[in-house]
Amino acid sequence: QSVVTQPPSASGTPGQTVTISCSGGSSNIGSNPVNWYQQLPGSAPKLLIYATSYRPSGVPDRFSGSKSGTSASLAISGLRSEEEGDYYCAAWDASLNGWVFGGGTKLTVL
Amino acid sequence: QVQLVQSGAEVKKPGAAVKVSCKASSYTFTNFDISWVRQAPGQGLEWMGWISTKNGNTNYAQKVKDRVTMTTDTSTSVAYMELRSLRSDDTAIYYCARAVAGGTYPRDFDYWGQGTLVTVSS
Repeated sequence: QSVVTQPPSASGTPGQTVTISCSGGSSNIGSNPVNWYQQLPGSAPKLLIYATSYRPSGVPDRFSGSKSGTSASLAISGLRSEEEGDYYCAAWDASLNGWVFGGGTKLTVL
Repeated sequence: QVQLVQSGAEVKKPGAAVKVSCKASSYTFTNFDISWVRQAPGQGLEWMGWISTKNGNTNYAQKVKDRVTMTTDTSTSVAYMELRSLRSDDTAIYYCARAVAGGTYPRDFDYWGQGTLVTVSS
């Protein structure tokens, strides 16, 4: 069981806005930035959001990240069918002295 | 474009060791660290550790620290991850990732290798 938890699934229709949550504790999300990774079927993970709310070059501004206390969120607006896949949050855990990933959320575009 | 190209799939028996390589290209190897992440079949991502390409310092996850060794060859821009005493639950895709410096720990993993499937089976 991961120390950072995500809902196992989320869904939306094309064009909708979907939010994926990520809940942790004081030693990880509560005190460190959060990154989000997208993993499309059969592919390696891809960095989507770093340092809680920053997008790497090439990532559309339809993707946004935020954090409040020990929880973080990823919002995807204008949802597209090709964005169906798994989404993972990650944060440095000071107690474990290592990175922890959430269990992942499978996003389905209906 | 930045690329991390990993070695091919491996099949190992329980108790054996495996060594996965990750060749970096199109950037200065020693300007970024390398981290390793694995993913068991149908499961989520699990961080295994990271290595500084500047000085070889390592930080391993508690779960594997007694069985894993990460090294680099800066002359060829290749990183290696060796896992010993393999068990069936080590069956996973192993990814290397470029780790962006962030102070006391990497800020994020901005480029990933294609993954190497390691199957542990008798």
